[in-house]
Amino acid sequence: DIQMTQSPSSLSASVGDRVTITCRASQSISSYLHWYQQKPGKAPKLLMYAASSLQSGVPSRFSGSGSGTDFTLTISSLQPEDFATYYCQQSYTTPRTFGQGTKLEIK
Amino acid sequence: EVQLVETGGGLIQPGGSLRLSCAASGFTVSNNYMSWVRQAPGKGLEWVSIIYSGGNTYYADSVKGRFTISRDNSKNTLFLQMNSLRAEDTAVYYCARDLHSSGWFYFDYWGQGTLVTVSS
Repeated sequence: DIQMTQSPSSLSASVGDRVTITCRASQSISSYLHWYQQKPGKAPKLLMYAASSLQSGVPSRFSGSGSGTDFTLTISSLQPEDFATYYCQQSYTTPRTFGQGTKLEIK
Repeated sequence: EVQLVETGGGLIQPGGSLRLSCAASGFTVSNNYMSWVRQAPGKGLEWVSIIYSGGNTYYADSVKGRFTISRDNSKNTLFLQMNSLRAEDTAVYYCARDLHSSGWFYFDYWGQGTLVTVSS
């Protein structure tokens, strides 16, 4: 199975900050890497697919990059509604696997 | 509008069985890959099972031999039959559409989740 490792596991930041979350795959997954945002008590929401494609309706302050084994999710200017937990996920193979999550908290 | 609604969760004793349902609207379940993903309290997301549009099914090692994914095309509904339940199966269970678009697969729609609690 492909292991997905996110860093950091948690992050404190302020409104307006630029933040970057990293996801590393245990083997090459091309660009089969997707990002989700989850708020407490809610289902995950798709943010980015295929590493760098913005899902419809998601603000342009979110961006993604990477291919192979190393990927990043960047939020260019944090807004209050962005404080949540973020997960990466690979669909290169089955089983689908998720990173352990990055909790983004208000500083 | 695409919508997924899970039902069937609840409190069940260890060793018991439960069947979860995921009623879909706005698209055809049988034309899509569909997955179940779970989240234990305070933990991250764990993929559980997938059914391909062609009918092939796959499972996480943690549930293999105990859980069965299926669908009813006439009801446009996805199911997860869970047998021999253990305390570690306690989680919110989500169904999700594993959309195939331009060669990519990703979970574009999720249900609201249904809580399964395995406890005596």
